[in-house]
Amino acid sequence: SAVISQKPSRDICQRGTSLTIQCQVDSQVTMMFWYRQQPGQSLTLIATANQGSEATYESGFVIDKFPISRPNLTFSTLTVSNMSPEDSSIYLCSVEEVVWETQYFGPGTRLLVL
Amino acid sequence: KQEVTQIPAALSVPEGENLVLNCSFTDSAIYNLQWFRQDPGKGLTSLLLIQSSQREQTSGRLNASLDKSSGRSTLYIAASQPGDSATYLCAVRSTLGRLYFGRGTQLTVWP
Repeated sequence: SAVISQKPSRDICQRGTSLTIQCQVDSQVTMMFWYRQQPGQSLTLIATANQGSEATYESGFVIDKFPISRPNLTFSTLTVSNMSPEDSSIYLCSVEEVVWETQYFGPGTRLLVL
Repeated sequence: KQEVTQIPAALSVPEGENLVLNCSFTDSAIYNLQWFRQDPGKGLTSLLLIQSSQREQTSGRLNASLDKSSGRSTLYIAASQPGDSATYLCAVRSTLGRLYFGRGTQLTVWP
């Protein structure tokens, strides 16, 4: 199974600033995703990170707010821009080794915006 | 749109009990269903994946069943232990590949 690491594991940020979260996978994967989990809520898909092209964003999420990079098949970054307290969440990177089969998650980045 | 519901939202039991966690979904046209475990402040760990053509999957003390026609899945935990304490999430994959998550059942097993 894929092993996923994320940096940072947690951070406390001031409103108006930006934070970039890194996701590293120990194997090459085609499908890589970014999720958000707000307090007491389930997971919401932010976008699918595509290697070599722009990310595909879900309804309610835009590139200006959540720019994503995917320079290769093992690495991706998610930036949370111009943060507000409503952005306080756990951000999770996820991959599929085989399309539509078992989905693996990173340990998450816990973000608190003051 | 697929909706996934997990009942109960929270469960507290003494060690040794056999448990059943429930997951229901509104659209029976699914590709597969996955159960995850999430420890506090952590990511998700995949426990079991059931394909739409399967009735159940087992891993150690865990058994997951799927009744696609009625839109239900159960996760059975045998002989529960304090280390089983976590939030258990059910996720349904649609036939278009999209994953829908429930809100989870928060399980506490006390010694």
